[in-house]
Amino acid sequence: EPEVTQTPSHQVTQMGQEVILRCVPISNHLYFYWYRQILGQKVEFLVSFYNNEISEKSEIFDDQFSVERPDGSNFTLKIRSTKLEDSAMYFCASSLLAKNEQFFGPGTRLTVL
Amino acid sequence: GDSVTQMEGPVTLSEEAFLTINCTYTATGYPSLFWYVQYPGEGLQLLLKATKADDKGSNKGFEATYRKETTSFHLEKGSVQVSDSAVYFCALNAGGTSYGKLTFGQGTILTVHP
Repeated sequence: EPEVTQTPSHQVTQMGQEVILRCVPISNHLYFYWYRQILGQKVEFLVSFYNNEISEKSEIFDDQFSVERPDGSNFTLKIRSTKLEDSAMYFCASSLLAKNEQFFGPGTRLTVL
Repeated sequence: GDSVTQMEGPVTLSEEAFLTINCTYTATGYPSLFWYVQYPGEGLQLLLKATKADDKGSNKGFEATYRKETTSFHLEKGSVQVSDSAVYFCALNAGGTSYGKLTFGQGTILTVHP
């Protein structure tokens, strides 16, 4: 059964450093998403991506964040200069259409020291 | 804006007990509704969904009915198992111009004891 994969599973970084979180969505899906979950809090939407551009983003997704689909399979989230409050679990998801169910990856736990 | 509210947790039950996790929502238009489950150390998995009023989603013995009049999508299971221990999230997709954005509730931790 096809699945969404994410690497790394855990990333530790120093405050102010850049991090890139990687995702491989399901191959025939057209919509891609990033969500985050701060420990003990709800899952929050960050951004949706379709047709090689951002289709929607939340207020969390400020200029420090960017997304890219550098090739036909990967989908990345970059945080330019990490802050302590960026520590969270980051989930990638994909769906065939915007109205369909989303399939989630296992997440990357980001720890900013 | 759109929002989802779940019952406060955690919920602790004995095996074979009846489970209800309440979920209510606020949204404009006609959202699709979902229940996702997160087992320890894993990502979110879709448990069930409903896309219009009075639809009933079901999977693995779990059920939820889309009630537009009460804006609710409560999750039920008649007889829980230890393996159902997980975190359960109610979510909505508002549709329209939302481009698939999911809005989640705060999650409910379920622990089932033998």
